[in-house]
Amino acid sequence: EIVLTQSPGTLSLSPGERATLSCRASQSVSSNFLAWYQQKPGQAPRLLIYGRSSRATGIPDRFSGSGSGTDFTLTISRLEPEDFAVYYCQQYGSSTRTFGGGTKVEIK
Amino acid sequence: QLHQWGAGLLKPSETLSLYCDVYGGSFSTYYWSWIRQSPEKGLEWIGENTHTGSIDYNPSLKSRVTMSVDTSKNQVSLKLTSVTAADTAMYYCARRPPLGSFDSWGQGTLVTVSS
Repeated sequence: EIVLTQSPGTLSLSPGERATLSCRASQSVSSNFLAWYQQKPGQAPRLLIYGRSSRATGIPDRFSGSGSGTDFTLTISRLEPEDFAVYYCQQYGSSTRTFGGGTKVEIK
Repeated sequence: QLHQWGAGLLKPSETLSLYCDVYGGSFSTYYWSWIRQSPEKGLEWIGENTHTGSIDYNPSLKSRVTMSVDTSKNQVSLKLTSVTAADTAMYYCARRPPLGSFDSWGQGTLVTVSS
């Protein structure tokens, strides 16, 4: 099973600032099958990024994904008030899909 | 849209049964998963039905899980036997296209196991 470790656990930033979230895999993620999700309280996760860097339908271009192999990054170029939430990475390259523990982006 | 339903309160040793009705889209071209979320374990993938009928289960739950698909009803189901307090979680159904990730999720069902 591929273990995904996200850092930092919490990111305290102000609106307009840049957010950089990290996801490290215990082994290489096949075909860069790495996704990012956003979750707000009381809601299901929402897909933001798939295939390491492709934005899902309707996701604004301030969200971008990068990385390869075992190290991946989600960048939010300028935080909007609605972006404060918890973010999860997930790999779907192995037969057992796994999620990271999450990074909470909170208002400073 | 994915609409979930099923019993939310169980006693230890009972069987969890959840259902997910799928509205719109092409049911047979997607893969259907169940995922659960708890404060202790975070997001945990339970298993997946593919449109060809094959099923993958999380090895940690495989001995207790049964998933099925009813294409006549556009419905997927989950059964988890011998539940304990450790199975208390929010359960989600989710779909993904082949080679893709989970692009649509149900509203979630909170399942509590308590005597």
